[in-house]
Amino acid sequence: NAGVTQTPKFQVLKTGQSMTLQCAQDMNHEYMSWYRQDPGMGLRLIHYSVGAGITDQGEVPNGYNVSRSTTEDFPLRLLSAAPSQTSVYFCASSYTNSPLHFGNGTRLTVT
Amino acid sequence: GESVGLHLPTLSVQEGDNSIINCAYSNSASDYFIWYKQESGKGPQFIIDIRSNMDKRQGQRVTVLLNKTVKHLSLQIAATQPGDSAVYFCAELSGFQKLVFGTGTRLLVSP
Repeated sequence: NAGVTQTPKFQVLKTGQSMTLQCAQDMNHEYMSWYRQDPGMGLRLIHYSVGAGITDQGEVPNGYNVSRSTTEDFPLRLLSAAPSQTSVYFCASSYTNSPLHFGNGTRLTVT
Repeated sequence: GESVGLHLPTLSVQEGDNSIINCAYSNSASDYFIWYKQESGKGPQFIIDIRSNMDKRQGQRVTVLLNKTVKHLSLQIAATQPGDSAVYFCAELSGFQKLVFGTGTRLLVSP
């Protein structure tokens, strides 16, 4: 099994550009989420989904959109990138009441 | 508000020593805690978890201790190896599948 797969691994954007970070899992997990990781701040929850067609905001949702059309995929969209969104983004999935499984991250730089 | 913090940002040990990484949490209602290991360039990897109805849980070379009286969590690694060098995060479950992460402790193991 591939587990949680994130693409791309690295991305550089100019301020104002848009892009989608992809996340796919092959474990049939109902729960998926996006975190960002910044130095000295640990991981912070951006958005999450408890199942296909259901999404909700986490701690730091501003500037990001998500959708969950299938169980497997949970893309994260940046509509107008800002330098403050420079970070490492992690997607995670799990069964209910089970530990999260993380992907290996997308390192995003916004200039 | 809820917060999960770590006492030491960096812990340096000799190979073969036992390591203890500490974590404090503030939400006394939390009932599920997880330790993750993160190696450079990778996503967090699940190590061990514990629920609030337990004080101690053991895995392979790792033990998690939970002291609910003082809201303290610790991770003990026995016979630390160079491959244990990584950043370790404690996480507290806050709401449905929402993890609140600490800022992390870097463990450095020297031969």
